[in-house]
Amino acid sequence: DVKVTQSSRYLVKRTGEKVFLECVQDMDHENMFWYRQDPGLGLRLIYFSYDVKMKEKGDIPEGYSVSREKKERFSLILESASTNQTSMYLCASSPLGKPQPQHFGDGTRLSIL
Amino acid sequence: KNEVEQSPQNLTAQEGEFITINCSYSVGISALHWLQQHPGGGIVSLFMLSSGKKKHGRLIATINIQEKHSSLHITASHPRDSAVYICAAQLNYGGSQGNLIFGKGTKLSVKP
Repeated sequence: DVKVTQSSRYLVKRTGEKVFLECVQDMDHENMFWYRQDPGLGLRLIYFSYDVKMKEKGDIPEGYSVSREKKERFSLILESASTNQTSMYLCASSPLGKPQPQHFGDGTRLSIL
Repeated sequence: KNEVEQSPQNLTAQEGEFITINCSYSVGISALHWLQQHPGGGIVSLFMLSSGKKKHGRLIATINIQEKHSSLHITASHPRDSAVYICAAQLNYGGSQGNLIFGKGTKLSVKP
C-alpha cells in the first residue's frame, strides 16, 4: 500500500514564524501536491511538483513556497505565518502518466496564533 | 460558478437506506474521482472513472460524459459510511497530466 506521511497531525505556531510542513511518500511517485482544506471552500491546490526540483503554482500559492530536493519528500513552507493560514493541510502523491488516483496523507491541522 | 458542484451539501439517512450523491462539472476532464474523508482528516480514493459505471462492495459510481454528471450510490447504508464524500474532476489539460478540481463535499450521516 502507498504510504504518504505528514510530519505532524497538529501544529500550533505564532504569527511571523517560518513554518515547515513535511510530506514523505514511499511509492516512488513523480507527482506530489500540497492542498489546504477550509470549511465551505473544499480542497484547494497550493503547489505541486512533478519531478525533483520542479514546482508549479496551484490556485493559492501566495504566502507559501515549496521544496523538493528528493523524489520522496515535498515540503511546504510558510515564509511568515499569518492567522489566515490557519487551516488543514493535506499532501498527496500520484504516479506520472495517464490519470491515476492521488494518495493522501492524514493531514496537518495548523493553527496560527 | 464553481467548476465542480456537488449536491446535497448535507445528507442524513437511516441505516439501510439507498443513498445518492450527485456531482456536476463544467470543465473538460480525463477522469472523475470520488473520495471519502472520515472525521480526523484522512482522504481515501474510492473510484476513478472516465466512462460508464464502477462497483465496489455496496458503493457504485456512474458517469455520463455527455451530460457532465456523475453519481455515487451507497446501497444498504450503514453508520460506518458516515463521512464526507468528495467529487473531483481531473482536468484533461495542463501540467502534471491534469490537476484535480474538487467539489465542496457532501457530509453524510447515517443513523442506526
